[in-house]
Amino acid sequence: EAEVAQSPRYKITEKSQAVAFWCDPISGHATLYWYRQILGQGPELLVQFQDESVVDDSQLPKDRFSAERLKGVDSTLKIQPAELGDSAMYLCASSPGVGSYGYTFGSGTRLTVV
Amino acid sequence: KQEVTQIPAALSVPEGENLVLNCSFTDSAIYNLQWFRQDPGKGLTSLLLIQSSQREQTSGRLNASLDKSSGRSTLYIAASQPGDSATYLCAASHTSGTYKYIFGTGTRLKVLA
Repeated sequence: EAEVAQSPRYKITEKSQAVAFWCDPISGHATLYWYRQILGQGPELLVQFQDESVVDDSQLPKDRFSAERLKGVDSTLKIQPAELGDSAMYLCASSPGVGSYGYTFGSGTRLTVV
Repeated sequence: KQEVTQIPAALSVPEGENLVLNCSFTDSAIYNLQWFRQDPGKGLTSLLLIQSSQREQTSGRLNASLDKSSGRSTLYIAASQPGDSATYLCAASHTSGTYKYIFGTGTRLKVLA
């Protein structure tokens, strides 16, 4: 069964350092999502890509977060500088497109900022 | 703004019980509704997807229904097992814009052997 790949699985970083997460969606999936999930809460959308274009980044803290999907395939989410409040699970999901499709999620990256 | 609420927040039941998890949403103009399972420290696994023209979906011991007019979805788990212990999340996508899914905060289920 096709999977969404994410790495690293866990990341511990010091406050003010830079950190990056990588996601490879299911082959052929045009839409890619990055969600953040704080412990005990539901995931919240950070950014949505359609192919290589950002279609929703309204909840992305743009002063420190950036995301790219240069060739419309894999994607990188970066935080610089990291803050203590960024500690969370970062989840990547993909779907064939928008509309009548569901999401497939990766295993996530657990970020701890110390 | 769409808000998704799940009740109860936590549930503990003995093995073998049939149980119902509830999901409500404030904006009935949803397109799809998807139920997920999340084990501690893991990603989300899709359980059931109810698409816009559907009212329910079934997979094994799981059945999910959707009533857009009342703003509710329920996930029914038959003959619960200890392996069903996890957090269950529902997510609703809107009919307009980017069709992104809005998630509830989940129901933490513990099935006791």
